[in-house]
Amino acid sequence: DQQVKQNSPSLSVQEGRISILNCDYTNSMFDYFLWYKKYPAEGPTFLISISSIKDKNEDGRFTVFLNKSAKHLSLHIVPSQPGDSAVYFCAASDSGTYKYIFGTGTRLKVLA
Amino acid sequence: DAGITQSPRYKITETGRQVTLMCHQTWSHSYMFWYRQDLGHGLRLIYYSAAADITDKGEVPDGYVVSRSKTENFPLTLESATRSQTSVYFCASSTSGASYNEQFFGPGTRLTVL
Repeated sequence: DQQVKQNSPSLSVQEGRISILNCDYTNSMFDYFLWYKKYPAEGPTFLISISSIKDKNEDGRFTVFLNKSAKHLSLHIVPSQPGDSAVYFCAASDSGTYKYIFGTGTRLKVLA
Repeated sequence: DAGITQSPRYKITETGRQVTLMCHQTWSHSYMFWYRQDLGHGLRLIYYSAAADITDKGEVPDGYVVSRSKTENFPLTLESATRSQTSVYFCASSTSGASYNEQFFGPGTRLTVL
């Protein structure tokens, strides 16, 4: 049973526009959430995170929003750039453990 | 160079053979992890280690063995490879077990079991 779901396997966006990647989770014990970015033939790299005590965290062009009641988080990239084309994984963690549960990933393609 | 490395990057083997995937990190991170990435499943945790000589199972440990005699190395062994173990394997490390400490990933090993 997938505890962390990314229901959109792919997304295409024009350069300069907003990219919105979504993630849903089922386990109410999750209290820390992360986004990782992965380029082909490379390992995932950390992008941004959010604790459950917040509903928004911003880092430059990247903003993560958390809606605890809906068990939903989203990653906004504004403005999108061609270099943002990658697979994005969301991950969730229960602070009582140190294990991440990853979603299946969303492939973002930013069109020039 | 500092960082986390994996070897080999690509491996083809046959069913029933033993295969060991190597992971080495130069940061002296306490925690190390092995994941596999499969289409439709994302990354799933196989095993993790909190320190040298301390290891524990993750979500999908069956068919795998790990050891950690030195802090910097965390090899993953498939004792008798099966086709279902064809996957991309990622090693990761972290300074601590706290969930807010990001995990740093290696470049991955693509394993094909024929």
